[in-house]
Amino acid sequence: DAMVIQNPRYQVTQFGKPVTLSCSQTLNHNVMYWYQQKSSQAPKLLFHYYDKDFNNEADTPDNFQSRRPNTSFCFLDIRSPGLGDAAMYLCATSSNEGAVETQYFGPGTRLLVL
Amino acid sequence: GQNIDQPTEMTATEGAIVQINCTYQTSGFNGLFWYQQHAGEAPTFLSYNVLDGLEEKGRFSSFLSRSKGYSYLLLKELQMKDSASYLCAVLDSNYQLIWGAGTKLIIKP
Repeated sequence: DAMVIQNPRYQVTQFGKPVTLSCSQTLNHNVMYWYQQKSSQAPKLLFHYYDKDFNNEADTPDNFQSRRPNTSFCFLDIRSPGLGDAAMYLCATSSNEGAVETQYFGPGTRLLVL
Repeated sequence: GQNIDQPTEMTATEGAIVQINCTYQTSGFNGLFWYQQHAGEAPTFLSYNVLDGLEEKGRFSSFLSRSKGYSYLLLKELQMKDSASYLCAVLDSNYQLIWGAGTKLIIKP
């Protein structure tokens, strides 16, 4: 089945220790997104890619970086995680080649910072 | 600024009908989405409206009025598994998805 896959589902890291979250997709969508979602809040867009064109949201901290080496994979790097970065990180994909840009989400990675 | 408003929490009874409202103010409009999100899981797509009117999909229906900046999600024959958060999101003129904070729906037997 075509899908969006995120690994790991749960990630524990230490304060200040770099961590990388990964996302892959088999939908062949050209757009990929990274969201941060804290409890009972709306997802907050961190980055998105149209193909390889990187778009950084204005309020995304410099502590967050992203890489998209090819169509299928996208990575979120948190250089120095703080306690406030504990959240669910959601990867989503969409295709802007049709009439509707529905976003399809992976299962998310829940990050815990100790 | 851009704003999506929906109630924080609603309670309904199994087998009943519930309507979750969403009002929006965005820079441009290219459609409105409803997503369902169970606790600790990712949002899953429910519906998309870009024209005024009602879209029905099984037990779920979604309504849009662009002139009023208003939508609702109607859930019929509620089941316990419908307990979840329901997020309203609008695609603005830049094709950015503006999200509401979600409505937590609690279903009681």
